[in-house]
Amino acid sequence: GNSVTQMEGPVTLSEEAFLTINCTYTATGYPSLFWYVQYPGEGLQLLLKATKADDKGSNKGFEATYRKETTSFHLEKGSVQVSDSAVYFCALSGDMNSGYSTLTFGKGTMLLVSP
Amino acid sequence: DAGVTQSPTHLIKTRGQQVTLRCSPKSGHDTVSWYQQALGQGPQFIFQYYEEEERQRGNFPDRFSGHQFPNYSSELNVNALLLGDSALYLCASSLVDRADSPLHFGNGTRLTVT
Repeated sequence: GNSVTQMEGPVTLSEEAFLTINCTYTATGYPSLFWYVQYPGEGLQLLLKATKADDKGSNKGFEATYRKETTSFHLEKGSVQVSDSAVYFCALSGDMNSGYSTLTFGKGTMLLVSP
Repeated sequence: DAGVTQSPTHLIKTRGQQVTLRCSPKSGHDTVSWYQQALGQGPQFIFQYYEEEERQRGNFPDRFSGHQFPNYSSELNVNALLLGDSALYLCASSLVDRADSPLHFGNGTRLTVT
């Protein structure tokens, strides 16, 4: 079945540092890949997505590239801010048979950014 | 434009009781999915409803059931509550069978079973 593996947190960085959160996946077919962010006490918000191999998703300075050859979708940001502190989830969709909106999530990676 | 709304925000129940959680999808969306998020874990798919029928189901027992109404809103019911059912329950809406239609999540209902 489908699965997602993320690096364990917390990831602790100083403001303006470079961020990488690793995500690898196992899937059948050709899933779409997503990064969601969860702030304390809130639900999940879509951060970015990529729907096919070599696509780069980007939003708010974050970006991730769909690498089919390495089954990876690593999240990066060149300069983090304190307001980026949150839990980040990598996820993959099902396919036409299992349902595109049936997501499989990783366990999440907490990011803590200090001033 | 209202997003996904869930009620109640918090709930405390006793083992063996039954609970009903409610969800209104984002305007224009026709599909509702429910996820369970245990503390410190990623969300786990429970089931999905479209056209008032369950389309997909994750690995959850029959104690978990749901319903979708003609206005696309949905309920999640859990019977015979166990301590292990304590979690954040997230509702998400989307457009059916659209690979480019990402899920929009509500803020969740925090269920505590004592």
